[in-house]
Amino acid sequence: QSALTQPPSASGSPGQSVTISCTGTSSDVGTYNYVSWYQQHPGKAPKLMIYEVGERPSGVPDRFSGSKSGNTASLTVSGLRAEDEADYYCSSYAGSNNWVFGGGTMLTVL
Amino acid sequence: EVQLVQSGAEVKKPGESLKISCKGSGYTFLSHGIGWVRQMPGKGLEWMAIIYPAYSEATYSPSFQGQVTFSVDKSITTAYMQWSSLQASDTAIYFCARRSRLGLHFDSWGQGTLVTVSS
Repeated sequence: QSALTQPPSASGSPGQSVTISCTGTSSDVGTYNYVSWYQQHPGKAPKLMIYEVGERPSGVPDRFSGSKSGNTASLTVSGLRAEDEADYYCSSYAGSNNWVFGGGTMLTVL
Repeated sequence: EVQLVQSGAEVKKPGESLKISCKGSGYTFLSHGIGWVRQMPGKGLEWMAIIYPAYSEATYSPSFQGQVTFSVDKSITTAYMQWSSLQASDTAIYFCARRSRLGLHFDSWGQGTLVTVSS
């Protein structure tokens, strides 16, 4: 399966909102409501931020939200903070015990 | 506390074999699949495979089928990834991650194992 498509970069000023898109196909994002988002700081392991399109694990600030329309999922970070600067990856279940990741988006807080 | 602790960094030569590990603790090891993810230098995450400890069965991404082998040792709650003949292109960080018991996402990650293959 092909990687999900994300913009390579996104940016915003502190306090602003930024939305990162994640486009898949009818075989993954379009069919399954099992889209998740991971945050990765340099040199660190990924961290789950959103699962099942828009659910937040405990401990993740409600500034992070997710949505989906058709074959495209989105992650919105509101009230940007310096510590939000990181790489963000979307992932979707693709059926038959397969998953696919996006190429990643580098979020810069200006 | 759920923890996945991976083995340390490795430096190998092309053609050599290697087995890296991922030890789970703080949860019922048999109840969660373990996924493996590759991150090549400066690149994004690539899903490789998932193995279910209860059954020792692995499902591979087509991109990695035949390239590596995954296994588990339930007695010591540890999952493994193994190469029989490394190539320079295997140089990467490899992460293991715990699949949520009821969901289809990965809720806890190991710290990663850096594998460097160089002559």
